[in-house]
Amino acid sequence: NAGVTQTPKFRVLKTGQSMTLLCAQDMNHEYMYWYRQDPGMGLRLIHYSVGEGTTAKGEVPDGYNVSRLKKQNFLLGLESAAPSQTSVYFCASSYDKGTPFLNEQFFGPGTRLTVL
Amino acid sequence: AQKITQTQPGMFVQEKEAVTLDCTYDTSDPSYGLFWYKQPSSGEMIFLIYQGSYDQQNATEGRYSLNFQKARKSANLVISASQLGDSAMYFCAMREGRNTGNQFYFGTGTSLTVIP
Repeated sequence: NAGVTQTPKFRVLKTGQSMTLLCAQDMNHEYMYWYRQDPGMGLRLIHYSVGEGTTAKGEVPDGYNVSRLKKQNFLLGLESAAPSQTSVYFCASSYDKGTPFLNEQFFGPGTRLTVL
Repeated sequence: AQKITQTQPGMFVQEKEAVTLDCTYDTSDPSYGLFWYKQPSSGEMIFLIYQGSYDQQNATEGRYSLNFQKARKSANLVISASQLGDSAMYFCAMREGRNTGNQFYFGTGTSLTVIP
């Protein structure tokens, strides 16, 4: 099992450009999440999904859109990148079996995005 | 109000000594899980240990133990016999039972440095 994978690992954008980050998991997990990590601020939730075809806003959703057309994939889009979106982006997934609130999240390796 | 508070931005510990990383949480949900993750300088997020709100005993996992004090709403991570490889960022997180998306709330992290 590959677990959670993210594509790309690094990216540099110019202000105003758009891009899509891809997250894929092969564990058949129901829940998927996108976070951004900035120095001194921990991980902040951007958007999440509780199942195929569903998405919801997290703590810092502005400037981002997401889609979950297939259970194994969760896409994060930046329509018009801004320097404030320079960050490390993590995707994570979790499962719904047993007692969900006791189930850990599995993280991807992260994507380092720089917006100039 | 912050759901998870980690008040120690940085900690130092001598190799082979024990160290406690503090975490306090805020929730009115009687059902919740508390988690600790390690993030080494390579960037990946590694799950260490969890504690359920109904667990009577403190969780342990090898050299890691969770000092769970429910009345004080604290879930401190104790690392025994510190090793150089324990140098990393450590994040405390919580997941509430009633939350539809079972979102994880993360603290801002504690940077641990193990001194030889």
